[in-house]
Parts: sequence; C-alpha cells; structure tokens
Amino acid sequence: GAVVSQHPSWVICKSGTSVKIECRSLDFQATTMFWYRQFPKQSLMLMATSNEGSKATYEQGVEKDKFLINHASLTLSTLTVTSAHPEDSSFYICSASGGASALEYFGPGTRLTVT
Amino acid sequence: QKEVEQNSGPLSVPEGAIASLNCTYSDRGSQSFFWYRQYSGKSPELIMSIYSNGDKEDGRFTAQLNKASQYVSLLIRDSQPSDSATYLCAVKDTNAGKSTFGDGTTLTVKP
Repeated sequence: GAVVSQHPSWVICKSGTSVKIECRSLDFQATTMFWYRQFPKQSLMLMATSNEGSKATYEQGVEKDKFLINHASLTLSTLTVTSAHPEDSSFYICSASGGASALEYFGPGTRLTVT
Repeated sequence: QKEVEQNSGPLSVPEGAIASLNCTYSDRGSQSFFWYRQYSGKSPELIMSIYSNGDKEDGRFTAQLNKASQYVSLLIRDSQPSDSATYLCAVKDTNAGKSTFGDGTTLTVKP
C-alpha cells in the first residue's frame, strides 16, 4: 500500500507558541489530503480537506486562522497550530488520497502536548 | 441521529471465535465503505474497502454491504489476540470526498 509519513511524531510546546506538522505521501501523488484530530477514547474528527494548489476546506467549528493548512505540492501538506493552548493537545493525523481513488492512506499521527 | 453508527462495545470474544462488527449509515447516496483497525496510540490502518452490495473476503476478514438496509459489517474469523483493537467504520459519499467515521467498536480477543 501507499506510504504516508508525518513529522514530528510527537511534540511538546509551550502555550502561545506555534507548531508545524508535516504530512508527506512518499510513493504517490496526493491530490487530496485530510487532517484529523483525535482526543483520547474518541473517534477521528475531520478538521479540514486540503487539495493541492487550493485553499483548504475547513469543517464547521474549526478555526481556519488557528489551524493553518498548506498543500503546496502533490506530496506535502502542512498543518500549523498557531498560538497553541493546552486544549489543543491531541493526536493529529493526516491522510492522503490520490486521483479518483476512494482509498485514504493514513500517516502515523503526531501527538501534540501543549504545556 | 449520527451519520455513521457502530454497535456499542466493548466486544469480547474468545480466541478462535468469529467477531462480528456492525455499522449503519444515514446517507443513502454513500458510495464507498471502509473498515479500519486502530491500535491504542496508533493511527488507523485500512482493513477492508467495499463498494457494491454483497460480500468481500480477504483472508480472515469478510466485509458485507447491504445498501438497501444501509448496513455494512465486518466479520473476523478465527479471531486472534492480535486482532484486539478498535475498529472504525467509515463512509464516503463520493470517491474523492471526505470520510465520515463511526465512533468505533473496541474488540478484545481473549486467549
């Protein structure tokens, strides 16, 4: 199957700082990338859908100015959590999909802890 | 009503038994259906995808889809302790669209 990487795998930052998470499709061109957030013992919650070269589409209730998404190439999307607060601490997971395929390939996730 | 509902867990089965996981969805226009396995602290891993009515088998796993009943299931035969995980059902309305996930069913396979 296709491989998606995320970096970093975990990060601890202080309240008020910004954190950037990278999502890369390693062996296919990802026309669409999705960003999810998962709190403990809860299901995946879609934050935004990102298409290469265009602005991300955010889900209701997700602040686009706080969670900046960039999908500059067919293999890279980034999520920047700006002015992070402890309530932003969560497991952030990206997935990538190529062309007309319905299959989503998930990255390994990034665990963010804001102190 | 949730868009994708899974049978409430946790589900516990003995090793070697069949585990049955169920999922219903509300959008009749849904086209693509997926089962993911998620181990604690890890990201989801695709187990099965199914697009048309009927059964689809892959090793010990069988996905069943009934669009008229808006129902999709996953059967795990000869369950192993390593199958212990949370299983997520996901539905898409178009191939390139976003997935809607159920809350997941936690399965424990006891040796």
